[in-house]
Amino acid sequence: DQQVKQNSPSLSVQEGRISILNCDYTNSMFDYFLWYKKYPAEGPTFLISISSIKDKNEDGRFTVFLNKSAKHLSLHIVPSQPGDSAVYFCAADNAGGTSYGKLTFGQGTILTVHP
Amino acid sequence: KAGVTQTPRYLIKTRGQQVTLSCSPISGHRSVSWYQQTPGQGLQFLFEYFSETQRNKGNFPGRFSGRQFSNSRSEMNVSTLELGDSALYLCASRGLGHNEQFFGPGTRLTVL
Repeated sequence: DQQVKQNSPSLSVQEGRISILNCDYTNSMFDYFLWYKKYPAEGPTFLISISSIKDKNEDGRFTVFLNKSAKHLSLHIVPSQPGDSAVYFCAADNAGGTSYGKLTFGQGTILTVHP
Repeated sequence: KAGVTQTPRYLIKTRGQQVTLSCSPISGHRSVSWYQQTPGQGLQFLFEYFSETQRNKGNFPGRFSGRQFSNSRSEMNVSTLELGDSALYLCASRGLGHNEQFFGPGTRLTVL
């Protein structure tokens, strides 16, 4: 039972355009969501997060939107740069419960930004 | 602040052997979580330690174990290695009152 799903295995965009990465979840107990960027053979790098009490969080070129009723979140990268090319993981946490450090990850989306 | 460090970065073992991986969290972080990444299963939670106590455990067999020391450094051990244990093992640390986990570079374990 995959509780966090990233249905697009890959996304290709042109430099300077917007990249939109999507994530869906099924467990209504999740109340905190995070996005990570990962290069091969390296650990994930934290990008941005959002609590379920918010619907939007911005940090520079990165914005995360949360639609609780649809159990859907998205990461917007504007403008996209070639250095953004990596695998992006969505992760969810039951921070208000007893998850105790357990993040549930999606399968990842490979983003390629073309110059 | 220095990031999360993991040693060794690469390991090659044979079936039936055991292995110990080490993780040093960010200074001041007392929560350490371990994850396994494989192409087929993605990133899966192994266990979490806080103040030397295991608070949470994922769905892995008892061959996978861990511990945490008083300085918050953590080790994980895999006994009786199987081919399917080949993976990237990641640890992450988290500060008190925060939800964001910060990952180390991982240990690439290959079981032959």
